[in-house]
Amino acid sequence: DAKTTQPPSMDCAEGRAANLPCNHSTISGNEYVYWYRQIHSQGPQYIIHGLKNNETNEMASLIITEDRKSSTLILPHATLRDTAVYYCIVRGLSGNTPLVFGKGTRLSVIA
Amino acid sequence: NAGVMQNPRHLVRRRGQEARLRCSPMKGHSHVYWYRQLPEEGLKFMVYLQKENIIDESGMPKERFSAEFPKEGPSILRIQQVVRGDSAAYFCASSPLGAPIYEQYFGPGTRLTVT
Repeated sequence: DAKTTQPPSMDCAEGRAANLPCNHSTISGNEYVYWYRQIHSQGPQYIIHGLKNNETNEMASLIITEDRKSSTLILPHATLRDTAVYYCIVRGLSGNTPLVFGKGTRLSVIA
Repeated sequence: NAGVMQNPRHLVRRRGQEARLRCSPMKGHSHVYWYRQLPEEGLKFMVYLQKENIIDESGMPKERFSAEFPKEGPSILRIQQVVRGDSAAYFCASSPLGAPIYEQYFGPGTRLTVT
């Protein structure tokens, strides 16, 4: 599996966009980028995933660079409830396989 | 459709006792994964089970830890003779057969404290 690198922590003002970067320079052609988040004392929650095109859903947007070596998760209008640890994971699409979590980025949304 | 359920949510054991953690997957899910999260760390995979079968236990410590997922009932993660280093949050996730990887849903976790 490709290794990912994320900053350990970030702050964001409430109402502003939160941009969380992830480097995955060793990603292979059939691997996707997945984002999960873990709110304090809860299990991880899936947010979004993508292969090479930018993706958007009701929770977030995912921007993947053309060379696929890095990506950015965007929370367009961060709220206090978005305070969590965000994990970027690179993995194939097929399921029934464990996820590999790094240490993630601890996002603190500040009022 | 209820989500993944884990119980107990909090468990305190003295050193040397046994800990049993239960995970009830979502309805229709036949695959269960157990992960352990030490303080300030990311989740680490432990074991992956299908009904009555262990598929991958590459992340399980070789001693004192075992897991099962019987035909009926919840999946059980058993830790024998617990030590302080076993104190952690244990999460399980479930998925249906053949589902894409992002359809792995996590439970709320069991926080084990060994005194």
